[in-house]
Amino acid sequence: SYELTQPPSLSVSPGQTASITCSGNKLGEKYVCWYQQRPGQSPVMLMFQDSKRPSGIPERFSGSNSGDTATLTISGTQPLDEADYYCQAWDSSSASVVFGGGTKLTVL
Amino acid sequence: QVQLQESGPGLVKPSQTLSLTCIVSGDSMNSGDYYWSWIRQPAGKGLEWIGRVYTNGNTNYNPSLKGRVTISLERSKNQFSLQLSSVTPSDTAVYYCARDFILTGAGFDYWGLGTLVTVSS
Repeated sequence: SYELTQPPSLSVSPGQTASITCSGNKLGEKYVCWYQQRPGQSPVMLMFQDSKRPSGIPERFSGSNSGDTATLTISGTQPLDEADYYCQAWDSSSASVVFGGGTKLTVL
Repeated sequence: QVQLQESGPGLVKPSQTLSLTCIVSGDSMNSGDYYWSWIRQPAGKGLEWIGRVYTNGNTNYNPSLKGRVTISLERSKNQFSLQLSSVTPSDTAVYYCARDFILTGAGFDYWGLGTLVTVSS
């Protein structure tokens, strides 16, 4: 089955840029979505179709996808960005949704 | 405003069937524009997609759970349901229902608050 791999954790200082990666075989040929999940809350979609932001998502969130890696970039990271981040794609071979394992972003 | 709300027993005994319902408000499930999914998350772990149902009743399931999962639609009540059979303690998780647009790559734009289901005797 298709797998998406994310680094378990990432630390960044306030104001810096955070880049969260998501890797999978020929991932660039699929669309990737990204979600933010704060403790005790439901996930919130940050990005769809690789790089499109839903209404209400700040411009400092951006996405890209090429080759085997998709990247969620947070510019000017703020303390409120501290959360878990998940990538997600559709695996057509198994007709199923796949999530990455998640990355815990710490802002300190 | 679209809202999804999960409901069902919070405690299920091993080997029994877990049954949950997701009530959708603010959107008609008859529109044909969306898939309706179940997703779960064990405590301290990541998200796992369980499966989805389309307006016409067609379903897709996570291969790892296939055979134990049934997702069905009740259009007249604007809700959809999950049944997971032969549960074990490893099925203990927060269960979410969510909506995703049929456009490829559109993702899950609305989620329920989630409901904790514990499998224990």
